Amino acid sequence: QSALTQPASVSGSPGQSITISCTGSSSDIGTYDYVSWYQQHPGKAPKLMIYDVSNRPSGLSNRFSGSKSGNTASLTISGLQAEDEADYYCSSFTISSIMVFGGGTKLTVL
Amino acid sequence: QVQLAESGGGLVKPGGSLRLSCAASGFIFSDYYMSWIRQAPGKGLEWVSYIGGHGITIYYGDSVKGRFIISRDNAKNSLYLQMNSLRAEDTAVYYCARRGMGQHHDYWGPGTLVTVSS
Repeated sequence: QSALTQPASVSGSPGQSITISCTGSSSDIGTYDYVSWYQQHPGKAPKLMIYDVSNRPSGLSNRFSGSKSGNTASLTISGLQAEDEADYYCSSFTISSIMVFGGGTKLTVL
Repeated sequence: QVQLAESGGGLVKPGGSLRLSCAASGFIFSDYYMSWIRQAPGKGLEWVSYIGGHGITIYYGDSVKGRFIISRDNAKNSLYLQMNSLRAEDTAVYYCARRGMGQHHDYWGPGTLVTVSS
């Protein structure tokens, strides 16, 4: 299975908005609305941020939002804060009934 | 509250075997699919395997198919990963994760490190 494609890094200043893309294919993102996003700080386990393309877990800040168009999903973080600096991974269910992750994007808050 | 705790990691020689365990609490274990996901040092996340609530539905990633076996004991609220024919490229932190009512992972354990080296 091929990994989903994410940019290696993105950056933004406090208060700004950034968007991380996640490109798949018609075998995964293009077929299912089962895209999820995870935040991972160094040395910590990943944390679910977005599921089913655009849903936030209970209690999560509404500064995080997700969307999808065709074979590409996106995570947008608005009002950037220092604590948002982390690695972000997308994931999707596939037509083979397996799961696939993106390569990860390092977010730097300048 | 939901808690997951992996154990069983360690140093093993190439070709060797290791069995990981994941103890779950705070939810009805048999109601949920469970996954193993790994992360090689300095690398990204790689999904390894998942198992249905009653152990009937099982899938593996291509890199571990035929070498790893996932299983669960609902009476003990435990998930397992039997890893055989281990290779250097299996070196990683292995996470146990609960699949939410969908295709996402809503809770993760802290992970256990597996090192395959001679």
